[in-house]
Amino acid sequence: DIVMTQSPDSLAVSLGERATINCKSSQSVLYSSSNKNYLAWYQQKPGQPPKLLIYWASARASGVPDRFSGSGSGTDFTLTISSLQAEDVAVYYCQQYYSTPRSTFGQGTKLEIK
Amino acid sequence: QVQLQQSGPGLVKPSQTLSLTCAISGDSVSSNSAAWNWIRQSPSRGLEWLGRTYYRSKWYNDYAVSVKSRITINPDTSKNQFSLQLNSVTSEDTAVYYCARMGGAACYDFWGQGTLVTVSS
Repeated sequence: DIVMTQSPDSLAVSLGERATINCKSSQSVLYSSSNKNYLAWYQQKPGQPPKLLIYWASARASGVPDRFSGSGSGTDFTLTISSLQAEDVAVYYCQQYYSTPRSTFGQGTKLEIK
Repeated sequence: QVQLQQSGPGLVKPSQTLSLTCAISGDSVSSNSAAWNWIRQSPSRGLEWLGRTYYRSKWYNDYAVSVKSRITINPDTSKNQFSLQLNSVTSEDTAVYYCARMGGAACYDFWGQGTLVTVSS
């Protein structure tokens, strides 16, 4: 299985400041024939299912605010929230779907307000 | 807008069978461009994909190695839903279970509300 490792495990950021979460895969998730990275980001709030934020490493899902952005390629990826809002407090997960159907998730990063 | 509504018991006895259903609205279980998945989440195992069913001129299933001997996922075209059965459960199967759609972008774009299933006598 492809192992996804996120850092940090938790993060506290002031309102209006930038939040950055990293995700590293144990092998490349870049599919050479399509030049697409099979990497997604999800946001999960307490008592709710995960919500898709980013797919193909950098494409925002429908309705996701543009303060959320994804970057990276190959094995190293980043989710950035450009200006943290109170409603962004959540746990964030990366997921590789290169090995679909056997996709795997990172362990999660808990984002809080400083 | 796609919506997934889960139903099923929240308590299952050890060695018995866990059964959940996911009713689909806004899409079809027979869609040629979607796959219908079960995923669970627990503190010890995190988010874990369990299996899927999908239709591409015929029905296919894929299952995680960790549960392959115990799991069945079936579509029900008459009710536009799909189900999960997990046999011989133990306390290790205690988790929140989600159904989710894999859409055109090949990731999980719509999720059910989740069902906490506790395995206990």
